[in-house]
Amino acid sequence: DGGITQSPKYLFRKEGQNVTLSCEQNLNHDAMYWYRQDPGQGLRLIYYSQIVNDFQKGDIAEGYSVSREKKESFPLTVTSAQKNPTAFYLCASSIGWGAHPGELFFGEGSRLTVL
Amino acid sequence: KNEVEQSPQNLTAQEGEFITINCSYSVGISALHWLQQHPGGGIVSLFMLSSGKKKHGRLIATINIQEKHSSLHITASHPRDSAVYICAVPIIQGAQKLVFGQGTRLTINP
Repeated sequence: DGGITQSPKYLFRKEGQNVTLSCEQNLNHDAMYWYRQDPGQGLRLIYYSQIVNDFQKGDIAEGYSVSREKKESFPLTVTSAQKNPTAFYLCASSIGWGAHPGELFFGEGSRLTVL
Repeated sequence: KNEVEQSPQNLTAQEGEFITINCSYSVGISALHWLQQHPGGGIVSLFMLSSGKKKHGRLIATINIQEKHSSLHITASHPRDSAVYICAVPIIQGAQKLVFGQGTRLTINP
């Protein structure tokens, strides 16, 4: 079955460490997204990619980095520059993008806790 | 004012009740998405609609483009419907992106 796989599901990080969250999709979607979710808040866009080898900053990109070397993969690195990284991170994909994304597909999420 | 507003924020009901969750938006959109977030955190897409009404099992979604309002209804609610329901809209003007509502936390008691 097609879908999005995120790993790890839970991750603990010490302050000052970079961590990378994996996101893989086998839906052949061009667009992929990373969102951050904090308690009581809606999803906020970190980065998005419309096509391989291209990505754009979202609303809260500071302290994060991404790459899109393959269509099916869109890893997110949470760097030590991110001041408050403890959050739930969701990866998503869609066949289109922008104003006409089509149906949205999400991974199961990765919960990052900074110790 | 947020571009997407959901109500209520929290809803508790008894099994079998008819549930309505509302979503209002203030921007031009191409379609509206209803999403369900399970207690474990994963999100699934329930509906994508640009006009009228869609039905899937006990779930019904409606949208009124003129009034910029959508509703999600659940008939014969069941404890397994307990989840957070989120509406999301792709904005068609300016920075084209998805905007999400804050979510409605639904709890169905047996």
